[in-house]
Amino acid sequence: QVQLQESGPGLVKPSQTLSLICTVSGGSISSGSYYWSWIRQPAGKGLEWIGRIYTSGSTNYNPSLKSRVTVSLDTSRNQFSLKLSSVTAADTAVYYCARGGGGNSLEFDYWGQGTLVTVSS
Amino acid sequence: QSALTQPRSVSGSPGQSVTISCTGTSSDVGDYNFVSWYQHHPGKAPKLLIYDVIKRPSGVPDRFSGSKSGNTASLTISGLQAEDEADYYCCSYAGSYTFWVFGGGTKLTVL
Repeated sequence: QVQLQESGPGLVKPSQTLSLICTVSGGSISSGSYYWSWIRQPAGKGLEWIGRIYTSGSTNYNPSLKSRVTVSLDTSRNQFSLKLSSVTAADTAVYYCARGGGGNSLEFDYWGQGTLVTVSS
Repeated sequence: QSALTQPRSVSGSPGQSVTISCTGTSSDVGDYNFVSWYQHHPGKAPKLLIYDVIKRPSGVPDRFSGSKSGNTASLTISGLQAEDEADYYCCSYAGSYTFWVFGGGTKLTVL
């Protein structure tokens, strides 16, 4: 059973960079033709897909966030990460990591529980 | 504002059926059969219920079913149970520029 767990600072100052890590257990992040995605949910709003990374390291991003987002892979630690630069209060949200969004799993079949990140000074 | 439109809330009594709609455009729901549905109990990881419009992952009860007509996808939950009370989200592929769009979520209340 694949499990995902997000980790990172819960508070980030405006204009700084938000950094989160997703640790995958129960399977190798580099096995199979899977994509690994980040998704967020601002309070009281719907879900928003942020971006994805393939096991090869290839990435794709939401056009509305593309200029500020970087998703990377660390296969040695079975982790993938999210960096979102120049954050504002609008980036305050619960951030989820998930398996899917392409390859063998177009759907998001495994999710982490999410981590709340607040942007505030 | 979310890309896909869902009703904010629906409700039903135990044993009844409810249907949650998810309306998109001809660029997402209407153009691809890659619609998925997720159940989310607050504080927990979202759970995949339906993918490819109508398919159920193993372990998901057949009380949950999906369909699509034109630009609108639907999730039907039959034989409502108390544990079905949760938020439900739809998602659709939207092409190789936008990739994935979600709905705003629907809160299901079991009366």
